[in-house]
Amino acid sequence: GEDVEQSLFLSVREGDSSVINCTYTDSSSTYLYWYKQEPGAGLQLLTYIFSNMDMKQDQRLTVLLNKKDKHLSLRIADTQTGDSAIYFCAEKGDYKLSFGAGTTVTVRA
Amino acid sequence: SQTIHQWPATLVQPVGSPLSLECTVEGTSNPNLYWYRQAAGRGLQLLFYSVGIGQISSEVPQNLSASRPQDRQFILSSKKLLLSDSGFYLCAWGKSTNTGELFFGEGSRLTVL
Repeated sequence: GEDVEQSLFLSVREGDSSVINCTYTDSSSTYLYWYKQEPGAGLQLLTYIFSNMDMKQDQRLTVLLNKKDKHLSLRIADTQTGDSAIYFCAEKGDYKLSFGAGTTVTVRA
Repeated sequence: SQTIHQWPATLVQPVGSPLSLECTVEGTSNPNLYWYRQAAGRGLQLLFYSVGIGQISSEVPQNLSASRPQDRQFILSSKKLLLSDSGFYLCAWGKSTNTGELFFGEGSRLTVL
């Protein structure tokens, strides 16, 4: 089955790194995703990683995948106030994406 | 480039009234279309998806229905709204590619009173 879990809240100081964690259960998932949702808006695709990769880096974002433990993380370097949002982890199923509940990231000065 | 629009952005409706939320996609053909609902403080629940005109699959039994009258149009409806239908409704499109990512509209906030 498909079940994606994330911690609900993360508070981080501006300039520090943020690490958002996610676990999933479907070992057959080929792709895993991170989405960002700003208040009152839709979801914006940040990045995705193929299941045969361990790491993917894109500017300030680093995705780490531990397929053995079914653990996915998103690291945001030099976190800025504009990074305050809800971050969703998702896994690819046969015809849909299954999402976690989202991690609300609050950046404090 | 592809764009997705959904409307209305905000809707306040009384219990028992009908609902129609509309979503259209531009810049692509034969997309897969999706309706998700995001309840307050919770994740996204897939309600319906469609792989073609007139083809609708429902994920959960509920008070809502969906239709796809045209290739790039997806409509979410209800004949009689319940209080529990309140939430943030998101339309998304995707292609049947290996990467499988979805692209979301800006959402429609429904409050049922």
